Amino acid sequence: NAGVTQTPKFQVLKTGQSMTLQCAQDMNHEYMSWYRQDPGMGLRLIHYSVGAGITDQGEVPNGYNVSRSTTEDFPLRLLSAAPSQTSVYFCASSSSRREQETQYFGPGTRLLVL
Amino acid sequence: DAKTTQPPSMDCAEGRAANLPCNHSTISGNEYVYWYRQIHSQGPQYIIHGLKNNETNEMASLIITEDRKSSTLILPHATLRDTAVYYCIVRVGRTSYDKVIFGPGTSLSVIP
Repeated sequence: NAGVTQTPKFQVLKTGQSMTLQCAQDMNHEYMSWYRQDPGMGLRLIHYSVGAGITDQGEVPNGYNVSRSTTEDFPLRLLSAAPSQTSVYFCASSSSRREQETQYFGPGTRLLVL
Repeated sequence: DAKTTQPPSMDCAEGRAANLPCNHSTISGNEYVYWYRQIHSQGPQYIIHGLKNNETNEMASLIITEDRKSSTLILPHATLRDTAVYYCIVRVGRTSYDKVIFGPGTSLSVIP
C-alpha cells in the first residue's frame, strides 16, 4: 500500500490564482481530513469527510472547498489564493472499522502564495 | 479549543528516558488519549493510545492516571531521532468521528 499520497509537494501561487491540492489513500478508509500547519504552530483542521459524499467544516474552513466523490480521493480547492494561505497542508485518513482508529498522514504540500 | 495542555518544550539527554506530560482534565469517559509525533517537515506519526490502562508498544509507554485527567508518554531510551514535536490528543474511538484537534504540542530536543 502507498498509504496517503499528496500532490504536489511544492507549489507557488500568485494572489487570486486557484488550485487543487490532491490527496489519495489506498487503505479503503472512510475518514479523511485536511489540516494546515503554519510555522511554529500545531495542525489546524480545515475540512473533513466521514465518507463519500459527506463533508464538514473544521476549525479554519474559510477560503477552502472540498468534495468527496470517491472513497479514495479528497481534493482541497483554493478558489482565490491569498498570502494568508501560505502554509504546509497535510491530508490524513483513518478507518471506522477498528475499535480505535489511528490517523495516517500524508507527506504534506508546501504552498507559497505571493 | 484543544482539550489538552502540554509544556511547549523539553530537553532530554540521549539514552535517558523522556517523560512527556499531558493534562486532559476535561476528558470524557469514552475518550481515548492518543499521542502523535512530527519530525521536522514530515507528516505526523501515530505513537500510541489508551483509554484507562497503561499501554506499551515498540515505540513508547503511556501512563494514564487513575482519574484519567493526565497522562505521560515515556520514551524509554531517547535517541537523537526522537527529536520532534509530540502531540497529545483526546478523541472518541470507533463509535463516532469527532473533529480531531491538535494543540501546539511539546517540542522535544534530545541532546547528545
